[in-house]
Order: sequence, then structure tokens, then C-alpha cells
Amino acid sequence: DAGVTQSPTHLIKTRGQHVTLRCSPISGHKSVSWYQQVLGQGPQFIFQYYEKEERGRGNFPDRFSARQFPNYSSELNVNALLLGDSALYLCASSLTGAVEQYFGPGTRLTVT
Amino acid sequence: EDQVTQSPEALRLQEGESSSLNCSYTVSGLRGLFWYRQDPGKGPEFLFTLYSAGEEKEKERLKATLTKKESFLHITAPKPEDSATYLCAVQASGGGADGLTFGKGTHLIIQP
Repeated sequence: DAGVTQSPTHLIKTRGQHVTLRCSPISGHKSVSWYQQVLGQGPQFIFQYYEKEERGRGNFPDRFSARQFPNYSSELNVNALLLGDSALYLCASSLTGAVEQYFGPGTRLTVT
Repeated sequence: EDQVTQSPEALRLQEGESSSLNCSYTVSGLRGLFWYRQDPGKGPEFLFTLYSAGEEKEKERLKATLTKKESFLHITAPKPEDSATYLCAVQASGGGADGLTFGKGTHLIIQP
């Protein structure tokens, strides 16, 4: 079975630009969560979606937004990019959100 | 606010030298404690879920245990391929998002 997939793998953007990251969960999983991981730190929770509804968000500014589609795939959008947004963005899927979360390989975003 | 503290930050062992990694946590109500392994530039790989104090789980050379305030990841006779960063995370019970709160990880190096 295919695991969680994310695209693109790497991305380089300029300050002030907008970026869209994509995630496809494991087949049968209905919940997707997004995390930001800065070098040397553990992942930090950004959003969780379950059955296309936002279930919660972490302590991130409104420049960050997300949505989940009817096929349970998800997009993370970040507006007005800052240098500090450079990080590995991880998507995790789970059956319901309240059990084990399985991570994708991540998207490495570099903001210059 | 949920908090996870992992120690040590880094650990260097000789092949075959057993040791333990510590994860101390503070959470309003624990739904689950998770251990992940992360290789450089990749997404975290799920290892274990622990739900209640006294619970233990094993997988190959790894054994995870849980008390009311901390969890240990015991590594028995490690091999060089066990080198990685080991992350601990908690999921709080109650309403709201099921996002995970992670520690910063323990960077483990096993020397041949």
C-alpha cells in the first residue's frame, strides 16, 4: 500500500510570495494533519482536518491556511512568505485523527 | 500547555552498548504517547503508541515503557543502522484538535 505522499519535494520561494503544498493520505484515512519542522527542532502542529472540516489549529499566523478535499487529500497554503517560514513541512494521515499518525516524506521549503 | 522534554539531546554509543532515552511530559490528559524515528531529511517513521502507565511495547531491539510522567525508549545491543533522531510526542485527550506535541528529539549515533 502506498504511504502518505507529498508534493513537491523541494521548493525555493522569495520573500512575499505565496506557496501551496499538497498531500495525499494513506488510502482509507480520513484525517490529515500538517506540521512545520525547523532544523534541530521537533515538528510543530499547524492544522488538522477530519472529514473535510478543520478540527483544530496550532499557534500559527493567519498567513497559513489549509483545506481538505472530498478525496481526503489536502493543501497547505502560506501567504506573504517570510525567511522564517523556511522549514520541512510534514503531512500526517490517520484513520480518525485520534490514533497513530503516519507521516509523509515532507516538502523542504526554502525562502530567500 | 502541553510540554515534552527529551534527554539527552545527543547520545553516542558503541555497537552493542545498550542505553535508554528519556521523554518527560506534561499534558492535561494523556490520550496517547508516541515514539517516532526520523532519518535526516525524511519524515518521522512511527514506532510505538503507549496509552496508559505501566504499558510496554517492543519491536526488535527497541522497547518503550510509560509512567504517569515519563516514557523511556530502551535500545538493546544497538547496531549502526539504529542511528537516527528519536522523537517523542503526546496527544491530549478532551475536545479540540488531535495534533501531536513533540519534543526536540534525541540524536542517536551508534558507532561500529
